[in-house]
Amino acid sequence: RKEVEQDPGPFNVPEGATVAFNCTYSNSASQSFFWYRQDCRKEPKLLMSVYSSGNEDGRFTAQLNRASQYISLLIRDSKLSDSATYLCVVNGGNYQLIWGAGTKLIIKP
Amino acid sequence: GAGVSQSPSNKVTEKGKDVELRCDPISGHTALYWYRQSLGQGLEFLIYFQGNSAPDKSGLPSDRFSAERTGGSVSTLTIQRTQQEDSAVYLCASTSGVGTEAFFGQGTRLTVV
Repeated sequence: RKEVEQDPGPFNVPEGATVAFNCTYSNSASQSFFWYRQDCRKEPKLLMSVYSSGNEDGRFTAQLNRASQYISLLIRDSKLSDSATYLCVVNGGNYQLIWGAGTKLIIKP
Repeated sequence: GAGVSQSPSNKVTEKGKDVELRCDPISGHTALYWYRQSLGQGLEFLIYFQGNSAPDKSGLPSDRFSAERTGGSVSTLTIQRTQQEDSAVYLCASTSGVGTEAFFGQGTRLTVV
């Protein structure tokens, strides 16, 4: 089992729809969680951190489920510009960052 | 600088030549990471440096790959005797502490011909 797993997709979603994807992690001692967005041929950029209580930033909501060891990302009212690959990353309390392989999202008009 | 800086942005080299890729992290960031990403693939961890600790080299794919970080700041990734399978984008990232956001440079696109 990979340390961090994501459904590679692609998720093909009509504009305006709501889409959600999960990321599972294997290390129960993991302490920090993030979602990054990567556009084609660009570097990853932070989308949002994931807090234990969950957090929301506009149309984006991130949740952490420690019992089942996964984090989720929900995008509401999706826009064409949301098309990208979404990477989750987990930190186990040291400096090592474990990256998922990413979920590709395609928003269609 | 304001962000992580990598150079060169593009590098074309002949098979068998050595290349050096440079990363200048955000000032004050103690941890620095090197990743490799092939087209359509995820990030492949290569190596990370944290302060004065011994680097974690567990991701280096062969002994042709090496990296150093001088003075706790700038890092150089060296690939000796390059092979075609080394062609990829090499990304550098830095963080200010455990559990903090990683900032990436724009990467070096390496093409071995």
